Amino acid sequence: GQNIDQPTEMTATEGAIVQINCTYQTSGFNGLFWYQQHAGEAPTFLSYNVLDGLEEKGRFSSFLSRSKGYSYLLLKELQMKDSASYLCAVRDRADYKLSFGAGTTVTVRA
Amino acid sequence: EPEVTQTPSHQVTQMGQEVILRCVPISNHLYFYWYRQILGQKVEFLVSFYNNEISEKSEIFDDQFSVERPDGSNFTLKIRSTKLEDSAMYFCASSPTGGSGEPQHFGDGTRLSIL
Repeated sequence: GQNIDQPTEMTATEGAIVQINCTYQTSGFNGLFWYQQHAGEAPTFLSYNVLDGLEEKGRFSSFLSRSKGYSYLLLKELQMKDSASYLCAVRDRADYKLSFGAGTTVTVRA
Repeated sequence: EPEVTQTPSHQVTQMGQEVILRCVPISNHLYFYWYRQILGQKVEFLVSFYNNEISEKSEIFDDQFSVERPDGSNFTLKIRSTKLEDSAMYFCASSPTGGSGEPQHFGDGTRLSIL
């Protein structure tokens, strides 16, 4: 089975940086995905890591350490529209399915 | 940009009735999925589908659930006899080849309310 943990809520100020951590314990590992989900909407893909290290995509970066079972999503230059839930999802080696964490709700304040 | 489309956006049904949720995956994608999200809870995997058959399913996907690709574009989820606890947002997703680095693309979901 999969055990994926992330903080429930985070609050930050517009223009600031926020780091959302995700730890996982899985029977196998074939990649970690970050999705953004606005309330009542579909999850939308943000980033993917399968090798250790940092992946940067504009204002968003994601880091992975497989030995530690740890990832983070870094949101820079926060904007009000970044207020959303951020979902960490792990893909097991044998499966096609994604196993999601409960999500971290980020609130950006002016 | 191509997207996954789902209909209806909201379905209200009496307990015990059958419902069919419809999805049109992205046209050149080969792998299809259903997930659900009960209000305030995490997204949960239900089933994946490839080459006209189920490739894996979760414990949630019991005999009351079935999936079908009735034609070249639609992918449906049927719940035969709905229960109150089936109330959730149901998301359809698709990916091109099921490869390890491919993100799954989600539709906007169908909110299913069982009365």
